[in-house]
Amino acid sequence: GIQVEQSPPDLILQEGANSTLRCNFSDSVNNLQWFHQNPWGQLINLFYIPSGTKQNGRLSATTVATERYSLLYISSSQTTDSGVYFCAVGPRLGANNLFFGTGTRLTVIP
Amino acid sequence: DGGITQSPKYLFRKEGQNVTLSCEQNLNHDAMYWYRQDPGQGLRLIYYSQIVNDFQKGDIAEGYSVSREKKESFPLTVTSAQKNPTAFYLCASSILGESAEAFFGQGTRLTVV
Repeated sequence: GIQVEQSPPDLILQEGANSTLRCNFSDSVNNLQWFHQNPWGQLINLFYIPSGTKQNGRLSATTVATERYSLLYISSSQTTDSGVYFCAVGPRLGANNLFFGTGTRLTVIP
Repeated sequence: DGGITQSPKYLFRKEGQNVTLSCEQNLNHDAMYWYRQDPGQGLRLIYYSQIVNDFQKGDIAEGYSVSREKKESFPLTVTSAQKNPTAFYLCASSILGESAEAFFGQGTRLTVV
C-alpha cells in the first residue's frame, strides 16, 4: 500500500507559538485528510484537501499533489490544540480506504 | 443528530471468547470501514464494505469477521483466532467514490484480560 510519513513525530510548543506539520506520501492520491485525535481517541476531521490550500480559523493546510506532500499550519497555538495529528491518504486507484501516517504528537504548554 | 455511533466505548474480553463491536451510521453513506489503532501508531484497515451484503478484507483481516446486512450497520466480530486483539477500534463511513471524505465514530477500546 501507499506509504505515509509524518514529521516531526513529537512537538512541544509554548502557547501562542506557530507550527508546521508535514506529511509525505509515496504515490498519487485522490484523497488527503488531516485529523486531530483528542485525548478520548476520537478523530476530528480538520481538512479534506487532496490539493490546494484551505483555511479554517487558526488552522490552514496546503497539499502539493504533484510533489506528494501536505502541510498543516497551526498559528497562535492553544493548550486545546494538544493531541495527535494524523494525515491520511486515499490512493488514486482502488477503493476509498485511507492509509494513515503514524502521527505528530503536539503538546502545547501554557 | 447525524453521525456514526460505536458501542460499547470500553469492552473487556476473556481470552478465547469472541466479541462483537457495533457500528451504526445515519449519514446515508454507502461505504463503511473498520480500522484498528495500536498505541503510538496510525490506523490500519481491517475490513470495508461498499454495499449491503458485500465486504472486502483490508490489510489486517485475519482473526476478524464482519457482516453488512443493513446499510446503516457494519458490526465487527473479534474472534478467538485474533492473536493480539487488545487495541482501539474505529469505524468510519463515507459516500462512494475514490475521493470521498471519511468520518469516524468515537471508537471502542477492547482489552483482553
